[in-house]
Amino acid sequence: KAGVTQTPRYLIKTRGQQVTLSCSPISGHRSVSWYQQTPGQGLQFLFEYFSETQRNKGNFPGRFSGRQFSNSRSEMNVSTLELGDSALYLCASSFLEGLAGVLAETQYFGPGTRLLVL
Amino acid sequence: AQTVTQSQPEMSVQEAETVTLSCTYDTSESDYYLFWYKQPPSRQMILVIRQEAYKQQNATENRFSVNFQKAAKSFSLKISDSQLGDAAMYFCAYRSSWGNDYKLSFGAGTTVTVRA
Repeated sequence: KAGVTQTPRYLIKTRGQQVTLSCSPISGHRSVSWYQQTPGQGLQFLFEYFSETQRNKGNFPGRFSGRQFSNSRSEMNVSTLELGDSALYLCASSFLEGLAGVLAETQYFGPGTRLLVL
Repeated sequence: AQTVTQSQPEMSVQEAETVTLSCTYDTSESDYYLFWYKQPPSRQMILVIRQEAYKQQNATENRFSVNFQKAAKSFSLKISDSQLGDAAMYFCAYRSSWGNDYKLSFGAGTTVTVRA
């Protein structure tokens, strides 16, 4: 079974621009979560979607938004980019129906999108 | 909010030896999930091992095992017979099992170096 895929893998933008990142979950997974990883702040939760609904949101400004489509694919958008948005953005999928407990809740990560804002 | 602490920024181990990574967490919940992830230089986060808090038995996956001490809120990872491919950053993570808190809370990570 194919793993979580993220596109693009690398991205260079300038301040003030906007960017859209895409994530395709493992087939059958209904939940998609997004994380930002930086050397200074470590891994921080952005938001989580389940069946096209945002269930959780981390402590990030409104410039960070996301959505999930009916096929569980997800996108995240960052508007008005700032230098501090340079980071590795990780997507993770989980919740294959028929499983329960930790098996259902285990998050599997994609390779990430490395965003550099100049 | 749950806090996960990894007190060892770096650990070094000789090939074929054993190394133990520490992780403590702060929670008021009685049931939750704990994970160890490995992030090699490729930056791909790979699941190493998982544990449900209500299960007292420590999880084991081949050369990887955990020592889960619920009362002490401790979840250490032991890597036995270390191999060069084990070199990576290791993250401990906590996830609530109830309510609407679906996020993983991560520790700061421990960089493991394996000496040949």
